[in-house]
Amino acid sequence: DAGITQSPRHKVTETGTPVTLRCHQTENHRYMYWYRQDPGHGLRLIHYSYGVKDTDKGEVSDGYSVSRSKTEDFLLTLESATSSQTSVYFCATQLGGQETQYFGPGTRLLVL
Amino acid sequence: GIQVEQSPPDLILQEGANSTLRCNFSDSVNNLQWFHQNPWGQLINLFYIPSGTKQNGRLSATTVATERYSLLYISSSQTTDSGVYFCAVESGGSNYKLTFGKGTLLTVNP
Repeated sequence: DAGITQSPRHKVTETGTPVTLRCHQTENHRYMYWYRQDPGHGLRLIHYSYGVKDTDKGEVSDGYSVSRSKTEDFLLTLESATSSQTSVYFCATQLGGQETQYFGPGTRLLVL
Repeated sequence: GIQVEQSPPDLILQEGANSTLRCNFSDSVNNLQWFHQNPWGQLINLFYIPSGTKQNGRLSATTVATERYSLLYISSSQTTDSGVYFCAVESGGSNYKLTFGKGTLLTVNP
């Protein structure tokens, strides 16, 4: 769906190290989203983008930053990873407002 | 913010049975979507349905926006229907951000 890829797909890192996750889409969708999924919490929005260089915070943005320099790429950075950021991270895209949202395959991140 | 509640939280069926999943939300919505997460973690969009009824094969969905609920019907269930079903909504003024319910875990036994 929407040609969404995420890299890396799996990562193990140590507390205090920086981590960047990449989301790449090929469908020229305007909106892009980063979610995290944890047991008991469902999917929670971290940050989202409504255009190149236009981003906003979601429900659980503390400890995360994002950048979108091109339509097709949306980067999520953990400046200094903590064990509480161990999770599965999903990227999603949406063509426009009030449209169908499509998800990438997810990235499993383990912070030791 | 808007609250989204899904019921039941868990459901176990025998293959061939029918089921109804419910999503209640606390405010008016511009956007409502149903997703299926398979046992391998992949999230697939099933329906974009802010109002009305849609059908896709054995699945159908109905949203009654004025009463703030949506239903997902699965008929003649198959083992491949197993997984978690999520409802997600966007309320007015949320700038195209979806709020997800906690999901219904469906297990279909052969």
